[in-house]
Amino acid sequence: QVHLQESGPGLVKPSQTLALTCTVSGGSISSVDQYWNWIRQPPGKALEWIGYIYYSGSTYYNPSLQSRATISVDTSKSQFSLKLTSVTAADTAVYYCARGVEMDTEYFDYWGQGTLVTVSS
Amino acid sequence: DIQLTQSPSFLSASVGDRVTITCRASQDINSHLAWYQQKPGKAPKLLISAASTLQSGVPSRFSGGGSGTEFTLTISSLQPEDFAAYYCQHLNSYPPMYTFGQGTKLEIK
Repeated sequence: QVHLQESGPGLVKPSQTLALTCTVSGGSISSVDQYWNWIRQPPGKALEWIGYIYYSGSTYYNPSLQSRATISVDTSKSQFSLKLTSVTAADTAVYYCARGVEMDTEYFDYWGQGTLVTVSS
Repeated sequence: DIQLTQSPSFLSASVGDRVTITCRASQDINSHLAWYQQKPGKAPKLLISAASTLQSGVPSRFSGGGSGTEFTLTISSLQPEDFAAYYCQHLNSYPPMYTFGQGTKLEIK
């Protein structure tokens, strides 16, 4: 059973950088056809995909966040990370890490529990 | 970019009711659609992949249908634990871009 766990500060000041890490256990972060994603959900709103990284380091981002988001991977620690720069109150959200797979179609089969990040001074 | 529009945004129903949620895509996406259930304070849970494939462990009262631009999620007989939010999701192939619908909140009448 694959398990994902987010970690990082729950409070970030405006204009600073949000940094989160997702630790993967119960499976290999280096498996093919698996993509490691960050997804967020502002309070009371819908899910928004931020981006993903493949174990090789290839990344793709939501165009709306591409200029501020960076996702990296450390296969030796079975972790991948998100940095989001120049945050504002609009970045306040629950941030999830999730595994994306391509089977009969493309979907997220395992999710972390989520971590609330509040942007406030 | 492909947009997914769910309807209705809110749905009030009673235990035992049959309900259907619709997800419309702005372009033909074949059967490349997944459905998730999200309960308050929890991560989304995958219910259906490829528009109609029920995931292991998901009760058979859930079913998915459609292809192209119109898709449905049906719950045949609502149970108390089904009151939650539901989201559809698609991955655009290139450039890779995951899109979610805006969600449907299913509430107890």
